[in-house]
Parts: sequence; structure tokens; C-alpha cells
Amino acid sequence: QKEVEQDPGPLSVPEGAIVSLNCTYSNSAFQYFMWYRQYSRKGPELLMYTYSSGNKEDGRFTAQVDKSSKYISLFIRDSQPSDSATYLCAAGGTSYGKLTFGQGTILTVHP
Amino acid sequence: DAGVIQSPRHEVTEMGQEVTLRCKPISGHDYLFWYRQTMMRGLELLIYFNNNVPIDDSGMPEDRFSAKMPNASFSTLKIQPSEPRDSAVYFCASSLARRSGADSYQPQHFGDGTRLSIL
Repeated sequence: QKEVEQDPGPLSVPEGAIVSLNCTYSNSAFQYFMWYRQYSRKGPELLMYTYSSGNKEDGRFTAQVDKSSKYISLFIRDSQPSDSATYLCAAGGTSYGKLTFGQGTILTVHP
Repeated sequence: DAGVIQSPRHEVTEMGQEVTLRCKPISGHDYLFWYRQTMMRGLELLIYFNNNVPIDDSGMPEDRFSAKMPNASFSTLKIQPSEPRDSAVYFCASSLARRSGADSYQPQHFGDGTRLSIL
């Protein structure tokens, strides 16, 4: 079993929909949780970062972490075609700098 | 500001050949990471350095893989001999050192990767 599990999708939604992306993890030592976005043929870029449990909002994006259930979520409101990308969840904290990534979910937002 | 620069962007070579991937991290960053991404296994950490010193190489798949960081502005990942199963996209990333305090994560900045095909 991988330490961070993520459904690879693909996920296809109409423009304007609310998107929910989820991951689970197994290592209780993880303290940092993040979401990276990766466009085709590009490197991942940090989208959201959360320390420990709680919510964090940035514009149309909300990240949630529930450490009791080891569940990580990313919500995208009013999704746009430009949000079409692969979204990777990641967790760290066992050793500074070391991140474990989920498989990535391919998201397509169609006009 | 220039981001993380990787070269080459694409590499196609025959099985058994030596492959060298190169990375220039963002100036001033203290950490450098090498990752491999495949459809089957996703994004996996191979090795990372702090101040040019390897910290954790537990992700390096086998002895055919080696990485060096001779100075703060350059790192290489070498595969010798290469095999078809090494075909993947290899990413380099860099980050600053941690800040003080519990919430001390510094984001990793990724290059655009090297797409490696071993025939």
C-alpha cells in the first residue's frame, strides 16, 4: 500500500462546476499537506499548502485536512477550462524536505 | 527570476548507454530534489541534497543510478547502464531551507523535466 493514495480519475466536469479532489494517507507522522497542479509537459507547481489539520482558502480553491481520518481534500469552485490539469496531493514531515506524492488526478473542465 | 533549469528536455537512447541528466537549481536554494514520474508509479522521490550533501537516497532504484551535486548551482543524475524500464520523466526541484517555527515548510519549485526514452 502506498503512503498517499489518490484516485487517478480521469475526472471530467462542465465549466462552473464544483470539483472535489481527495487523497488518503497512512503515515501519522505527516504534518504538511499540499496540492500541486501539473499542466501537460510541465513540472508540478504548488497550489495550496496546509500545516496539520484545518482548512485553507485561496480564491476559488479550498484545501482541507482531517488528520483524524487521514483525509486530504481540494475543492475548486466555479471551475474553468484553464483548471484542466493533473492535481497531485503530497504529504511530508517525517524528514524536512521529503514529500510523498499521490498518483495524481487528471481533471478536464470542458466549456 | 529564472526557475529550475533542466537539460536535456528530451533524451532518446539505446539500452546499455550512459545517460546524464542535468539540473540548475534556483539561486540561493539550499535543497535539491530528483524525482521520477511514470504513469504506473506516479511521482517518486529518488534522492535529495541539502547544501550539496546527499541526505536521503533511499528512493534510488538500484546501483545503476547515481547523483552528484558538485556545487550549489549544479547537479547531475546518471544512469549507467540504462534499461527500457528507466523510461520516464525525471524532474529536478529546489527549495529554501526551513523557516523557524513549527509551520516551516518551504515549497519545492520544479523544473519542466527531462523526458527519457530508452529503446
